[in-house]
Amino acid sequence: NAGVTQTPKFQVLKTGQSMTLQCAQDMNHEYMSWYRQDPGMGLRLIHYSVGAGITDQGEVPNGYNVSRSTTEDFPLRLLSAAPSQTSVYFCASRRTASSYNSPLHFGNGTRLTVT
Amino acid sequence: TQLLEQSPQFLSIQEGENLTVYCNSSSVFSSLQWYRQEPGEGPVLLVTVVTGGEVKKLKRLTFQFGDARKDSSLHITAAQPGDTGLYLCAGSALKTSYDKVIFGPGTSLSVIP
Repeated sequence: NAGVTQTPKFQVLKTGQSMTLQCAQDMNHEYMSWYRQDPGMGLRLIHYSVGAGITDQGEVPNGYNVSRSTTEDFPLRLLSAAPSQTSVYFCASRRTASSYNSPLHFGNGTRLTVT
Repeated sequence: TQLLEQSPQFLSIQEGENLTVYCNSSSVFSSLQWYRQEPGEGPVLLVTVVTGGEVKKLKRLTFQFGDARKDSSLHITAAQPGDTGLYLCAGSALKTSYDKVIFGPGTSLSVIP
């Protein structure tokens, strides 16, 4: 079982460059989300989606775009990378739109460095 | 704004010792989850608690949800090196909505052989 697959695992960007972080899940989960993890700050929600064609902002959405054209895929786009976006990014999915008693399944992360 | 606090932030203990980590909030949660994260990997669910006062056991790990559903604890008995990792608590606010799961900052546990 693949679960949640993220690519790439590592990425280095220069300030101003753009890129897309890929996320795919094979569990037919309704909900998908992107978090960033920074030391001492835990996981912060960037964007989330409750189904194909539906996305919404989380706590820290600025500088990021998402789309959900299929149930399986939820790419995260950095439009113009900044050093403040250096972080580890996690994609997570869950079976239902409601979080009640529906745990998140995480990918293994993408470590992004912006110089 | 709902916040989850965890304590301690760092914990280094000898193999065989017992420990407790805490997760606290001023907000009420409908359910609370504990995850463990190992270096280079994503968090993995350990347990979900949903009822105030609930106690769940997973081998040497005991999880408790506070009566008021504002806090939780994780107790590990006879810690082993394999318990090393980052322990995260996460709260869900509402039972039916597109609610966003809120994560605490984590407790980094190191168990020394």
